[in-house]
Amino acid sequence: QTVVTQEPSFSVSPGGTVTLTCGLSSGSVSTNIYPAWFQQSPGQAPRTLIYSTSTRSSGVPDRFSGSILENKAALTITGAQADDESDYYCVLYMGSGTSSWVFGGGTKLTVL
Amino acid sequence: DVHLLESGGDSVQPGGSLRLSCAASGFTFSSYGMNWVRQAPGKGLEWVSTISPGGDKTHYADSAKGRFTISRDNSKNMVYLQMNSLRADDTAVYYCANLRFGYLGQGTLVSVSS
Repeated sequence: QTVVTQEPSFSVSPGGTVTLTCGLSSGSVSTNIYPAWFQQSPGQAPRTLIYSTSTRSSGVPDRFSGSILENKAALTITGAQADDESDYYCVLYMGSGTSSWVFGGGTKLTVL
Repeated sequence: DVHLLESGGDSVQPGGSLRLSCAASGFTFSSYGMNWVRQAPGKGLEWVSTISPGGDKTHYADSAKGRFTISRDNSKNMVYLQMNSLRADDTAVYYCANLRFGYLGQGTLVSVSS
């Protein structure tokens, strides 16, 4: 069973830059498994930040960017703001054989 | 703008059934695979099911196999999730989605308890 790994928690100072990662328990993350990133504030539905590795969803500020770094998907937030304090989830496509997707367990980001 | 609107969530007893619906707009629905994703209270997101653009191929998470059925009606831009033999651990907010392109609805709550 493939596990998608994320840092359980991370902290960043206001105005700072943070990179969250999304990896595979076995193998490397590449663009052809379409990494996506979601932000969820407490009590809210998740919203899409990034899809297909690096495409920002409509209305998402360019402070948020996606990439592949050292065989993992990465979400970089620059100029962190207080309202960036949220849970962040990534999801990866497991391939056409199963057409399944697997979410990571999420990263709780604290801005302080 | 892309819009996905789920409906059909309710409170049911264990062993019961529910049918969730998702109305899609703002994109060429019949060209896209669609997903259902859920989130149990206090837990993370979980992929539940996928259906191909034409509806001929379906895939399920192990937790849904044999109990849930995904379907779609491209003439109505609708996708459905029929849920049978519901259990307490199916309690969650269910989201309609296209994970490939980042489309995600606002969710509908399913509560299973006696």
